[in-house]
Amino acid sequence: QVHLVQSGTEVKKPGASVKVSCKASGYTFTGYDMHWVRQAPGQGLEWMGQINPNSGDTNFAQKFQGRVTMTRDTSISTAYMEMSRLRSDDTAVYYCARAGRAVGSSWYAYWGQGTKVTVSS
Amino acid sequence: DIVMTQSPDSLAVSLGERATISCKSSQSLLYSSNNKNYLGWYQQKPGQPPKLLIYWASTRESGVPDRFSGSGSGTDFTLTISSLQAEDVAVYYCQQYYSTPYTFGQGTKLQIK
Repeated sequence: QVHLVQSGTEVKKPGASVKVSCKASGYTFTGYDMHWVRQAPGQGLEWMGQINPNSGDTNFAQKFQGRVTMTRDTSISTAYMEMSRLRSDDTAVYYCARAGRAVGSSWYAYWGQGTKVTVSS
Repeated sequence: DIVMTQSPDSLAVSLGERATISCKSSQSLLYSSNNKNYLGWYQQKPGQPPKLLIYWASTRESGVPDRFSGSGSGTDFTLTISSLQAEDVAVYYCQQYYSTPYTFGQGTKLQIK
């Protein structure tokens, strides 16, 4: 069965960077795009971007361009999301979510458990 | 960006009764080449990641009870819970995956009356 296991809670100061990992198992890692979605406390869901684990190609929401990097290590079936120049409004739970196989199938049947990132001085 | 607007923001329904949530998109989610609507529905309970209920606007995900159904096309979509159960208390989100940035509705909080 498919599992996505994320790294643990992070507490960072404004201006710092954070790197969240998402280890996949139960399927061929390179066969499905990985997406990242965040949720601020008490708020809705916000799509951040996606990575093709096979090619490494990425696509980001414009608001995260230049501040977010998505990478992967296919040898350990792990995707990473790194955000720099953190601000207090980046405080959120960050999720990785696996898309469907076919092109255009960007719904998410599988999610990581979430990584809470708190940005506070 | 495509804006997704859900209504109502919150909803209280008696056990066994029908619950209906609306989702409207700022542009059509119907892709003419395959006649599919690029719309999904999720359920989220406190402290948990979202759970996929419906994709392609009306296809129920495996394992989802058949009291959940999705309908609609173009810009207007509906999630219906035919007979509300206690375990259905949650926040429900629609999501468009027609074009990036993929966007979600603001959520509808469903409670028991």
